Amino acid sequence: RKEVEQDPGPFNVPEGATVAFNCTYSNSASQSFFWYRQDCRKEPKLLMSVYSSGNEDGRFTAQLNRASQYISLLIRDSKLSDSATYLCVADTGRRALTFGSGTRLQVQP
Amino acid sequence: GAGVSQTPSNKVTEKGKYVELRCDPISGHTALYWYRQSLGQGPEFLIYFQGTGAADDSGLPNDRFFAVRPEGSVSTLKIQRTERGDSAVYLCASSPGQGAYEQYFGPGTRLTVT
Repeated sequence: RKEVEQDPGPFNVPEGATVAFNCTYSNSASQSFFWYRQDCRKEPKLLMSVYSSGNEDGRFTAQLNRASQYISLLIRDSKLSDSATYLCVADTGRRALTFGSGTRLQVQP
Repeated sequence: GAGVSQTPSNKVTEKGKYVELRCDPISGHTALYWYRQSLGQGPEFLIYFQGTGAADDSGLPNDRFFAVRPEGSVSTLKIQRTERGDSAVYLCASSPGQGAYEQYFGPGTRLTVT
C-alpha cells in the first residue's frame, strides 16, 4: 500500500465548476502536508500548505483530517488554467516529502 | 530571483555507462533534495543534504547511486553502471533550512538509458 494515495482521475469538469480532490496517508507520524501542482513535463510547484484548521487561498481551500488521515483540496470556479496534475504530499518531519501519484484535472471550455 | 537550476535538461546514455546530474539550488538555501519521478508517478525521495552533509540517504535505491555537495551549494548526483530502469526525470529541490518545509523544485533532468 502506498503511503499517500490519490485517485488518479482524470477529473473532467466544465469551466466554473467546483471540484474536490481527496487523498489519504498511512503514516500517522506525518506532520506537515502540502498540495503541489504539476503541469505536463514541468516541475512540481507548491500550491499551498495544509493546516489542521483548514486554510484558503483565493479559489483554493485545503482541509486536513488527522483522525481519518485524509487531506482534501477544493477548487471553486475552475479556470482552464487550473488543468494540471495535483500532487498530495506528506512530510513526517524527516524532510523527505512523500508524494502521492497525483490527480489529473482537465477543465473544459 | 533565480530558481533551482539543473543540467543537463536531457541526458541519453547507454546501459552500463556512468552519468552525472548537476543541481544548483536557490542562493542561500541550505537544504537540498534529490527526487526521481517515473511516468505517471509522483516524485520519490532519494537523498537530502543539510549543508555539505547527507542528512538522509535512505531513498537511494542501491550503491550505484551517489550524491555529493562538497561546498554546501551545488550538488551532483552520480549514477554508475546505468540500467534501463534508471530512466526517469531526476528532480532537485531546495529549501531555506531547518525550520522551513517548503521545497522549491528545479526543472529536472530527463535521463534515458538505452
